[in-house]
Amino acid sequence: AQSVAQPEDQVNVAEGNPLTVKCTYSVSGNPYLFWYVQYPNRGLQFLLKYITGDNLVKGSYGFEAEFNKSQTSFHLKKPSALVSDSALYFCAVRDLGSLTDSWGKFQFGAGTQVVVTP
Amino acid sequence: DAGVTQSPTHLIKTRGQQVTLRCSPKSGHDTVSWYQQALGQGPQFIFQYYEEEERQRGNFPDRFSGHQFPNYSSELNVNALLLGDSALYLCASSLEGLETDTQYFGPGTRLTVL
Repeated sequence: AQSVAQPEDQVNVAEGNPLTVKCTYSVSGNPYLFWYVQYPNRGLQFLLKYITGDNLVKGSYGFEAEFNKSQTSFHLKKPSALVSDSALYFCAVRDLGSLTDSWGKFQFGAGTQVVVTP
Repeated sequence: DAGVTQSPTHLIKTRGQQVTLRCSPKSGHDTVSWYQQALGQGPQFIFQYYEEEERQRGNFPDRFSGHQFPNYSSELNVNALLLGDSALYLCASSLEGLETDTQYFGPGTRLTVL
């Protein structure tokens, strides 16, 4: 079975400071990992993904994420946060490495609310 | 390039009623997935349609059913509505093949069951 954990319900950061949103995962095969952002009353917007290759993945709006296989983590980062980054962030995993019931399905974390103050 | 569209935006129903939600995928996409997002939670996978067939299903009862049309648009039907079905229902589309790993989401339909 696959699972995703976002240990922080909310992250508060001052504008201009670095932002980190944590995510850990569990899959039986090789993970496909994703970050999405959701603004109020909107659907999810794709930020970035890790499939294979470099552990540091760069995505939209200056975000990046680091894949750490030994720690089974995929933390989202931004060097300098903006007030407009305030939103709900979701980490997701897709297990395409084993023929289990969860094969191919997206599993989302519960989300982390990011609040960036001026 | 049209993104994923969903209708209606909001819907209010009473317990026991039936509802149909609609989704048009992003231009060029052929696969549609449906998710339920309860308040304060992450999206939960309901099912996925490809080539007009249900290809995968999450842990949802048979009251939840769907359909995909030849133009790749899709419907989600929920019968015998319960209060607990109140949620934001999200549709996501993707293209079968090399880009199957990236899903693009619509704005959602907010369903309230009274």
